Amino acid sequence: AQKITQTQPGMFVQEKEAVTLDCTYDTSDQSYGLFWYKQPSSGEMIFLIYQGSYDEQNATEGRYSLNFQKARKSANLVISASQLGDSAMYFCAMREANAGGTSYGKLTFGQGTILTVHP
Amino acid sequence: DVKVTQSSRYLVKRTGEKVFLECVQDMDHENMFWYRQDPGLGLRLIYFSYDVKMKEKGDIPEGYSVSREKKERFSLILESASTNQTSMYLCASSLGTAMLRDTQYFGPGTRLTVL
Repeated sequence: AQKITQTQPGMFVQEKEAVTLDCTYDTSDQSYGLFWYKQPSSGEMIFLIYQGSYDEQNATEGRYSLNFQKARKSANLVISASQLGDSAMYFCAMREANAGGTSYGKLTFGQGTILTVHP
Repeated sequence: DVKVTQSSRYLVKRTGEKVFLECVQDMDHENMFWYRQDPGLGLRLIYFSYDVKMKEKGDIPEGYSVSREKKERFSLILESASTNQTSMYLCASSLGTAMLRDTQYFGPGTRLTVL
């Protein structure tokens, strides 16, 4: 089974509007971390935001916020006031606490969502 | 700021050639990673290293090997390149704190084409 699922291959949003990118995950661990990365056309993956499974508040970083619904196992990224520079591929990723030993550092990535911001 | 650099942005090689992809990080990170990225598949881990000369297989190690002789440098080796290794290769590093929020920082990627 897929550990991270991003069901939206592509999304479109008008400049200055908000957009939500979906991410669901599958784990039996109680302790895990969730990450979102942005990949512009240049190719470099840029870290955006992190949410821990025990964090009581939803994470926020500037225009990025994470809508974390633990019971539903979803960690959707919300981008407010979209800008043309937000056009990119977005990846959701997870680290599980019980990956074991040196595998602790591993991230599992979803398939990605391409976001296009229209002027 | 963390800086992860990769030796080439674009590379074209012939089937059967030995290919070296180099990655260097300048933040004294313990962990380094090699991923390949293919459309519809996201990023898949090939190998990672948590210390000098230490390595562990990721999810798709077949056809690849790695070398980490110095802390800042992690090399991915394709012993005999094949066309199905045409892909985008991404290197990453992280502090290695054994904490859940230990963030991986990525290089710009190398787009490898094997003819």
